[in-house]
Amino acid sequence: GAVVSQHPSWVICKSGTSVKIECRSLDFQATTMFWYRQFPKQSLMLMATSNEGSKATYEQGVEKDKFLINHASLTLSTLTVTSAHPEDSSFYICSASRQGSSEQYFGPGTRLTVT
Amino acid sequence: QKEVEQNSGPLSVPEGAIASLNCTYSDRGSQSFFWYRQYSGKSPELIMSIYSNGDKEDGRFTAQLNKASQYVSLLIRDSQPSDSATYLCAVPPFTGRRALTFGSGTRLQVQP
Repeated sequence: GAVVSQHPSWVICKSGTSVKIECRSLDFQATTMFWYRQFPKQSLMLMATSNEGSKATYEQGVEKDKFLINHASLTLSTLTVTSAHPEDSSFYICSASRQGSSEQYFGPGTRLTVT
Repeated sequence: QKEVEQNSGPLSVPEGAIASLNCTYSDRGSQSFFWYRQYSGKSPELIMSIYSNGDKEDGRFTAQLNKASQYVSLLIRDSQPSDSATYLCAVPPFTGRRALTFGSGTRLQVQP
């Protein structure tokens, strides 16, 4: 199989605080992981591509200093939302690919609410 | 022209009918194609991949690919209310990118 987990599944935080979301590939090594954001009734929006051992590649319009991505191992990538604001409230989803494969396997997502 | 186009729907079919979901793509060099299903409030789930022209069947699902027409479709036979979801078509990364390019999705409603 190709199982991807995310933690936490939901989180509520106060405005101005930081939140870390973990994405793990449980049964395969993921050389590349992707972070998406999805607002209600809208399409998936790719935020960044995370490569193990190197800096993430951010999509245009995504603030790299606000959304910190670390991909320290072949099974773990983290997304930290710094100084969160209510407009950052969204559904954050990671996905992972095996080396040499285009198939992406998604984690279950993390619902972030900033109050 | 969008890279991957899908009709947003909703596509409404009665229970037991065949649901036909369509997708067109702009990059003639694309070699592999994927269908994902996303239930409301959940993350996408890979349900089919197809790499060659023609049909690929998996249970009630059939993916059809026509590279000459740059067209890929997903047929769902004997549609069930539990098939009600948004179906996303995806093609491989374009040059310089690593992520799949997703269509905006077609919302399917199966009426009991």
